[in-house]
Amino acid sequence: EDQVTQSPEALRLQEGESSSLNCSYTVSGLRGLFWYRQDPGKGPEFLFTLYSAGEEKEKERLKATLTKKESFLHITAPKPEDSATYLCAAHGSNYKLTFGKGTLLTVNP
Amino acid sequence: SQTIHQWPATLVQPVGSPLSLECTVEGTSNPNLYWYRQAAGRGLQLLFYSVGIGQISSEVPQNLSASRPQDRQFILSSKKLLLSDSGFYLCAWDRTGRSYEQYFGPGTRLTVT
Repeated sequence: EDQVTQSPEALRLQEGESSSLNCSYTVSGLRGLFWYRQDPGKGPEFLFTLYSAGEEKEKERLKATLTKKESFLHITAPKPEDSATYLCAAHGSNYKLTFGKGTLLTVNP
Repeated sequence: SQTIHQWPATLVQPVGSPLSLECTVEGTSNPNLYWYRQAAGRGLQLLFYSVGIGQISSEVPQNLSASRPQDRQFILSSKKLLLSDSGFYLCAWDRTGRSYEQYFGPGTRLTVT
């Protein structure tokens, strides 16, 4: 059975304090690894797709990387508006995405 | 550009009452469509998916059902709601083919009382 585990469950940072979120996956035949941002009471917003180990994607203060077992979401010099829940999902050889439970990020000014 | 709509945004229903949630996608044709439920402290749970009109696959046995009467319309229904049906319901779409990202709607917050 495909599994996706995110850590930590919650992370509190000061504005400007860089850090990383982890997504470990056990998926047969990885076809894609996805990162989403979810604000309270809203649907997840797509951020990145990674297809193969070694691939990196960047968007503003966020950078996603992928290895054969993990993906990391690096947040550089975060701002309070980066506060949200970040979800990771993996697409294996079956038809569906398997989601992690998310990391709740809080950035204090 | 593509847009996905869900309604209603919030819903409070008594136990035993029926349910109908609607999702429509604009700006694309023949999308794959998905219904998820998100409960507090838990990940997204896939409920149903559809690859075409009238084609529905169920992931979890429950008192919910789904239908796809038109190419870009997806409906989630129940004849009698249970307390355990409370949650945040999300509709999503992606393109047919290789692994594409799914795009989510704004969600419906359902509270069963």
